Parts: sequence; structure tokens; C-alpha cells
Amino acid sequence: DQQVKQNSPSLSVQEGRISILNCDYTNSMFDYFLWYKKYPAEGPTFLISISSIKDKNEDGRFTVFLNKSAKHLSLHIVPSQPGDSAVYFCAASPYNTGTASKLTFGTGTRLQVTL
Amino acid sequence: EAGVTQFPSHSVIEKGQTVTLRCDPISGHDNLYWYRRVMGKEIKFLLHFVKESKQDESGMPNNRFLAERTGGTYSTLKVQPAELEDSGVYFCASSQDRMRGMNTEAFFGQGTRLTVV
Repeated sequence: DQQVKQNSPSLSVQEGRISILNCDYTNSMFDYFLWYKKYPAEGPTFLISISSIKDKNEDGRFTVFLNKSAKHLSLHIVPSQPGDSAVYFCAASPYNTGTASKLTFGTGTRLQVTL
Repeated sequence: EAGVTQFPSHSVIEKGQTVTLRCDPISGHDNLYWYRRVMGKEIKFLLHFVKESKQDESGMPNNRFLAERTGGTYSTLKVQPAELEDSGVYFCASSQDRMRGMNTEAFFGQGTRLTVV
């Protein structure tokens, strides 16, 4: 039973436009959400996170939106750049586990930014 | 500062053989995690060490998998005997202790691609 779902396996966006990656979760215990970016033959790299007490977190070109009632989050990248082409993983964890928590990942969305 | 390093980067073994994967976390990181990605699916949690102690091993698939972290530094993950379904990419991650109520970022290694034939 997949608790974190990324229903779009791939996305293609033109350079300069906005990329929107979506993620849904089912476990109400999740209180902290992260996006990781992964290039081929490399490990996932942390991109941005959001706590459930917020509905938006912004870091440069990257913004994560959280809709707790819908159990949905999204990552916006604007403007998209060719170097953003990678696989993006949504991940979630419960907040109050005392240490950096075990993460539950989605299956990833492959973003291709075209020229 | 060195990141999380994993050895080997690739391993091809025959069914029934034994393989040991190694992870060196970032120096000073007490938390060490093992994850696995099978066949392009989601990355799944295997277990979590805090220093040398297993904090959570709920994700370990079965008793063919043995993880150790002697001395609280590097960790090994042994698969014995390996089966075909064990093929995948094994990731290690490490993080500092959570401080003042804040979650701390987990840094991932590049992974070990294990192929069981």
C-alpha cells in the first residue's frame, strides 16, 4: 500500500516555463514533507521541505505548496532550466519521532526541461 | 567535507552468494539509514541506526539481510544468500541529531547497484 503517490511518471516542460510536480499522501500521521532531486548514478539530493504548520515554503526558484485537507503537495519550479532535468521524489515523515525521521518516498517524476 | 560514501558502486553476484555493502556516513552524523529502490519503484526504508544501535529495522525484508554499525561509524549491509528479487539500488543516508524540535536533512550516498543473476 503506497502511502506517498506521484501519479505522473514523467513531465516535459519548455525552458523558462513553470514546472509543477504533484504528490499525494494517505497517512494522516505525516507532518513533514520533502522534495528530493536525483540525477542518474547519484543519490537523492535534498531540495526543499515544508512542515504541516505551513502551506507554502519558497526557496529561490522552488516553491512547495501543501494542502493538508486534500493531503496534497506540489513543487513549482519557475523558471525551469535545462539543469533541472532529473527525477524528483516526494517524501514524507512524521514530525515527532525525535530524530531525522525515516522517509516514505513516492515513485518519482522524471522532469525533462527542453530548450 | 566528504559526503556519504558507499562501496561498491556496482555489484553483480549469482543467486545464493553473499554480498556486503558498505556505507561511510558524514563524520559526526549519529543517524544512519539504509534505503532500497527496486526496479524504478519508490525508494523504501530499510532501517535506521542511531550511533551503533538499531533504532528501527521495520523495513528489513527478511532475515537474509543483516545490518551492522560497529562503533557507530561506518555501516555494512550483508545479504546472505542473495535472491533475484534483492536486485536494486541500495542507498545509505546520514543526518545529524534532531535539535530544538527541528527536523534535520538526510544526506544520501550515490548508492550501490546490486544485480543478482
